[in-house]
Amino acid sequence: DQQVKQNSPSLSVQEGRISILNCDYTNSMFDYFLWYKKYPAEGPTFLISISSIKDKNEDGRFTVFLNKSAKHLSLHIVPSQPGDSAVYFCAASAGNFNKFYFGSGTKLNVKP
Amino acid sequence: DVKVTQSSRYLVKRTGEKVFLECVQDMDHENMFWYRQDPGLGLRLIYFSYDVKMKEKGDIPEGYSVSREKKERFSLILESASTNQTSMYLCASSLRQGRVGELFFGEGSRLTVL
Repeated sequence: DQQVKQNSPSLSVQEGRISILNCDYTNSMFDYFLWYKKYPAEGPTFLISISSIKDKNEDGRFTVFLNKSAKHLSLHIVPSQPGDSAVYFCAASAGNFNKFYFGSGTKLNVKP
Repeated sequence: DVKVTQSSRYLVKRTGEKVFLECVQDMDHENMFWYRQDPGLGLRLIYFSYDVKMKEKGDIPEGYSVSREKKERFSLILESASTNQTSMYLCASSLRQGRVGELFFGEGSRLTVL
């Protein structure tokens, strides 16, 4: 059974608006979380991370929020740009930084 | 520029064949990984290696083996390919003391087993 779930396979957003991508996890031992972005025909690339000792981490237009009680994290992209159109994977680790569990991905489409 | 190169983008093999997937990184990274990506399942770790000749099983090692004879090269071996191993295979590498969780991925190898 998947320990990291992305329940929305796809999301469509207008350019300039906010994109919110969601991720839920089941393992309460997870203490480090990542987001990766993947363009077609390319490998995933690291986007942003957050440790469980924080509830928010920001990097430019990208912010990750962590709600430990709800076992939920989200990625906010503000403002969204057409170049952000990609598949986004969330991932989590339980103390072993060589072993991350990935969600199934959400395909974001930012319309011009 | 960092680079992880996978030898084949597309392969078609028959059931029972032995399959080699090769991965080379030019970043002097200690850690290397093999994942498979399937629709609805995300990326699942098959094996990883933290040093030459060292390996650890990931979540789905059954039916696979790996080889790491040189630091820059990590090979995934399917001893006897089966149709349920049809998938996208992604190789990745990372620095032992790098940013936590930052993996550098190759472009992937799409394997079809008939």
